Amino acid sequence: SQTIHQWPATLVQPVGSPLSLECTVEGTSNPNLYWYRQAAGRGLQLLFYSVGIGQISSEVPQNLSASRPQDRQFILSSKKLLLSDSGFYLCAWSPRGDQPQHFGDGTRLSIL
Amino acid sequence: SQQGEEDPQALSIQEGENATMNCSYKTSINNLQWYRQNSGRGLVHLILIRSNEREKHSGRLRVTLDTSKKSSSLLITASRAADTASYFCAPMDSSYKLIFGSGTRLLVRP
Repeated sequence: SQTIHQWPATLVQPVGSPLSLECTVEGTSNPNLYWYRQAAGRGLQLLFYSVGIGQISSEVPQNLSASRPQDRQFILSSKKLLLSDSGFYLCAWSPRGDQPQHFGDGTRLSIL
Repeated sequence: SQQGEEDPQALSIQEGENATMNCSYKTSINNLQWYRQNSGRGLVHLILIRSNEREKHSGRLRVTLDTSKKSSSLLITASRAADTASYFCAPMDSSYKLIFGSGTRLLVRP
């Protein structure tokens, strides 16, 4: 069966520090991969999605970037974190675009 | 905004009662999906209804879709305390992006 792993679960970082969040999927190949951010009490905002290795689409101009160095690995990065980058970050995958998405357990990022 | 908007924002019911959540959206859709989120966790997919379908069932869940009114509803029958969670409607637009609303927070009292 397919599983998705996302880490770390929580992260506290100072303003101006770099960020790297990793997401990996097991048990499938060539998945669509997604990064979302969720503000407290709100819905999910799509940040990036990828349909293949090295193919990244950005949905919202921001301080973040994403990379897909391997088929089942999706990384969210920042060179310098801002206070506004705080939130709950969720990775998801789907077998193809019109199918349900399967989410990881998220990373709660706090910027101090 | 193209997002799905859930109504009500919060719902409190007694165990055994039915819970109905509504969703409205603004764009043309490929399909519409409902997700559940327990506090501090990732989302879990519940049900997908295609744009040419009007009703779908899965266990205690019943989803309806009215594309002419751009609305959907999720009914949970015979609710249980374990159904306590936030529920999100997510219309999928023509570019296969899910557009999430702010969700309905459901509390089922034992």
